[in-house]
Amino acid sequence: NAGVTQTPKFQVLKTGQSMTLQCAQDMNHNSMYWYRQDPGMGLRLIYYSASEGTTDKGEVPNGYNVSRLNKREFSLRLESAAPSQTSVYFCASSEQGAETQYFGPGTRLLVL
Amino acid sequence: KNEVEQSPQNLTAQEGEFITINCSYSVGISALHWLQQHPGGGIVSLFMLSSGKKKHGRLIATINIQEKHSSLHITASHPRDSAVYICAVSQRGGSNYKLTFGKGTLLTVNP
Repeated sequence: NAGVTQTPKFQVLKTGQSMTLQCAQDMNHNSMYWYRQDPGMGLRLIYYSASEGTTDKGEVPNGYNVSRLNKREFSLRLESAAPSQTSVYFCASSEQGAETQYFGPGTRLLVL
Repeated sequence: KNEVEQSPQNLTAQEGEFITINCSYSVGISALHWLQQHPGGGIVSLFMLSSGKKKHGRLIATINIQEKHSSLHITASHPRDSAVYICAVSQRGGSNYKLTFGKGTLLTVNP
């Protein structure tokens, strides 16, 4: 099992460009999450999906959209990237109702 | 004030030393988690505990619910233990749990 996979590993964007970060899990988990990690701050929740077909805002949703494509895949879209979105993005998944989350390897995003 | 505070922020040790990382929280929780993040790497869960103490190899995690405090201990530290250690607390929210994370403790173990 690959666990949680994320693509790309690293991306450089110019201000105003758009891109989609992809996440997939093969653990048959219902719940999936997107976090961002910034220097000097703890991980912060952007969006989550408790189950297929549902998505909800987290702590820092502005500037992002998500799609729960199916049970396996949960994508994060930046419609118009800003330098403030320079960060490391982590996708995670968990069984519904479980407290332990499994994290992907992260995507490093640099917005110039 | 952050809901989850870790100390120290940075810790440098010599191989073989006993290491302690602390975590305090200010909210009611369902459980406390310790996670490990190697440089440039992903995040893995080390422990989830809601009371008492857990041990895995050279790692020991304890929690005091009354004092809202947890510690992560590493015995006989090794350079491969160098990583960021993250404390997080989980709180029930609807059908799922919300995780709130500390800022992390960067541990460097020198040979």
